[in-house]
Amino acid sequence: DVQLVESGGGLVQPGGSLRLSCAASGFTFSIYWMSWVRQAPGKGLEWVANIKPDGSEKWYVDSVKGRFTISRNNAENSLYLQINSLRAQDTAVYYCASNRYPYIVAGGLGYWGQGTLVTVSS
Amino acid sequence: DIQMTQSPSTLSASVGDRVTITCRASQSISSWLAWYQQKPGKAPRVMIYKASSLESGVPSRFSGSGSGTEFTLTISSLQPDDFATYYCQHYNSYPWTFGQGTKVEIK
Repeated sequence: DVQLVESGGGLVQPGGSLRLSCAASGFTFSIYWMSWVRQAPGKGLEWVANIKPDGSEKWYVDSVKGRFTISRNNAENSLYLQINSLRAQDTAVYYCASNRYPYIVAGGLGYWGQGTLVTVSS
Repeated sequence: DIQMTQSPSTLSASVGDRVTITCRASQSISSWLAWYQQKPGKAPRVMIYKASSLESGVPSRFSGSGSGTEFTLTISSLQPDDFATYYCQHYNSYPWTFGQGTKVEIK
């Protein structure tokens, strides 16, 4: 079975940093585009970033550019999100998700983890 | 950025009702649209991709249609398990954006 398990969330002060991880299993991680999507408490979904299977291409929503960095380690079947200069409005559950189809970016987000909560507060 | 607008925001319906949710894009996205179902405290689940393709394992009472800027998700006969929040999402260009969600409630 496909599994995506996020970790690394927690309480952090404004201006602080965190590194989120997503451990993948049950599918060939190295051939899928991967994304991070977040959801603020009681709010809707917001796509944050994605990364090409070989890591050579990365895309971000404007609100996180320069502060968040997506990366992956295909040898370890892991996805990461380095989040710096955290703001209160970054408080959210962060989900990792894989594209529905291998190799290509189209098709929507087929598999999702259960999320990890990041709370930014002093 | 392409804005996705869903209507209604909340929908009250009974078991057995036919339900339709609309999603409008601020510019053409061809058929690059997915629909997700989310239940409280759970991760989203893809229901429809490429505007009208049913994801494997999703009941056939769900269907999607549309192209360009207007899309619909239809549930032909609402079942108790279908009460949830539904989101549309485009993947035509970056940044990908979601609609604000439609909560389907029990009437």
